[in-house]
Formats: sequence, C-alpha cells, structure tokens
Amino acid sequence: GQNIDQPTEMTATEGAIVQINCTYQTSGFNGLFWYQQHAGEAPTFLSYNVLDGLEEKGRFSSFLSRSKGYSYLLLKELQMKDSASYLCAVRDAYSGAGSYQLTFGKGTKLSVIP
Amino acid sequence: GAGVSQSPSNKVTEKGKDVELRCDPISGHTALYWYRQRLGQGLEFLIYFQGNSAPDKSGLPSDRFSAERTGESVSTLTIQRTQQEDSAVYLCASSLGPGQVTSYEQYFGPGTRLTVT
Repeated sequence: GQNIDQPTEMTATEGAIVQINCTYQTSGFNGLFWYQQHAGEAPTFLSYNVLDGLEEKGRFSSFLSRSKGYSYLLLKELQMKDSASYLCAVRDAYSGAGSYQLTFGKGTKLSVIP
Repeated sequence: GAGVSQSPSNKVTEKGKDVELRCDPISGHTALYWYRQRLGQGLEFLIYFQGNSAPDKSGLPSDRFSAERTGESVSTLTIQRTQQEDSAVYLCASSLGPGQVTSYEQYFGPGTRLTVT
C-alpha cells in the first residue's frame, strides 16, 4: 500500500519562495508526480521525478530522494495565480504494464498573499 | 485543441438510484483513468483502460461500480444503487499509451460532482 503525507495548508507572500514537502511510505515505487489544482478545476501536471535529484522547469522545481521517501516542490517568484492546491502522487511499482495509476496525497492548499 | 470532457458537470441523485458518468478523452490518447475525489481526501484510483486490453479494475470500491470503454474513445462509469458515501467528484484522465515519451502525463477532465441525497 501507499501512504503519502503533505501539509494541509501553507501561506506565502507574493514574490517569495515556498517549498511544499511530501513524504511517502510505499510497498513499491516507480515515480513521483506533482499536480496543481485550482479550486473547482481539473488537476494539471507539473512534474515527474523517477530518479534522485532536482528537476527544474521555469519557476517550479521538484526534488526527489528515494532513499528518504521524500520530495519537495519549490515555487519561486510567487504570483497570486499560484494560489491553488498542490497534489503529490506516487506511481506504484506494481501498476499494470504501461499503467501510470497514481496514489495521491490529500494536497496542500497554498494561499499567496500580497 | 480539445481537452478531456466529462458530463454531466453536476449530478444530484437519490439514494438507491443508478447513475452514469461520461468521459471523452483527448483524441489519440489510448490510456484512460477514472479517479474519485471525496471532500478533503486525495484522489483515489478507480479503473484504467489501455487500448483494447482488459481494464485494470483493482481500484473499484465495490461491485456497484463498473466502467466501459468503446475502443479508444468514450468511457462511461456506472454506479448502481448509489449510496451517500458515493458523493464525490469523479475525475477522468487520459494520456498517450505505453512506450510514448510523455505517456506519464495525465490530462484531467473537469470532473462530475455527484451528490447522493
């Protein structure tokens, strides 16, 4: 099974940097994902880490340490539009062939204030 | 281009009734997933379709839940004899099939909000 933990809520100031942590305990691991979900909207893909290290994509970066069961999403130069929930998800190593079925955490609601 | 679409956007039904939810994936996406998002909870995987292969039904919570997909197009999720605990947002996602470079990236639809009274 999978257990994924992330903070419920965070608040940060416009223009600042915020780090959203995610820890997981799994019976198998085959990749970690971050999705962004604005209230009432569909989740949208942000990043995918399968190897240890930092993946940078514009203002967003994602880090993975498989030995520690730990990931974080780093958001730089925060904008008001970044206010959303950020979902950490893990792909089980035992997913069917070709399947990227994901187990999601409950999400971290980020509020960006002026 | 068109994204994943779902219908209806909202559904209110009485306990014990059957409901059918529809998902239209992105054209060319052979993989299709259904998830459920209960209030305050993470998304729960329900079922996975890939092309004409047998679906992975391992996430379906009970035999009241079933889903079908015709080829690589529309999918329907059916919930029979609905219960109040079925109230949730049901999300559909599609992606390119296995072996494609970005097959890991799932595109979600806007969801169907189901309320069972």
